[in-house]
Amino acid sequence: DAGVIQSPRHEVTEMGQEVTLRCKPISGHNSLFWYRQTMMRGLELLIYFNNNVPIDDSGMPEDRFSAKMPNASFSTLKIQPSEPRDSAVYFCASSPSDRDNQPQHFGDGTRLSIL
Amino acid sequence: GENVEQHPSTLSVQEGDSAVIKCTYSDSASNYFPWYKQELGKGPQLIIDIRSNVGEKKDQRIAVTLNKTAKHFSLHITETQPEDSAVYFCAASLPYSTLTFGKGTMLLVSP
Repeated sequence: DAGVIQSPRHEVTEMGQEVTLRCKPISGHNSLFWYRQTMMRGLELLIYFNNNVPIDDSGMPEDRFSAKMPNASFSTLKIQPSEPRDSAVYFCASSPSDRDNQPQHFGDGTRLSIL
Repeated sequence: GENVEQHPSTLSVQEGDSAVIKCTYSDSASNYFPWYKQELGKGPQLIIDIRSNVGEKKDQRIAVTLNKTAKHFSLHITETQPEDSAVYFCAASLPYSTLTFGKGTMLLVSP
């Protein structure tokens, strides 16, 4: 079975540029999560969707960050304009449903470097 | 919200020894406690989880114990092997809520 697929795996860009990260969840999974991982702050939840609808975006750092899920098989996380402090590894995860205690399955992440 | 503390931050053991990683959580209503293993360049992978109605769960060389009274849970790895070297994360979740992760433990198993 294909797991969660993220692209690109690595992104290097200059500050001020727009960055778009992409995620394809596991087929049949109804919940999708975006996380950011840094040495200082660990794994932080940015936003999550149930059935393509954003449920909690309280972890989104600021208005420069936005996320969409236009259909059940695709989500994007966009940063515009990007800043050096956005450099981190961004993970997407999906889980089977919004029932209680469902395990989350992670992709291999996008390593983002903003120069 | 929930707060999860994880110790130690690094752990070095010899191959064949046991390794124990401990986590505490703040909200007694939390009911789901997964453990993830993250290898270099990869995403976290679920290795075992436990729910609040169970005190212990085992899967081959790994086990997790939960003490609800003390609000802590632990990961036990027996007969460690070099391929167990990775970063391990604990997490806790309130009912119908999202996961809160610990800061991780880097486990190094030396041959």
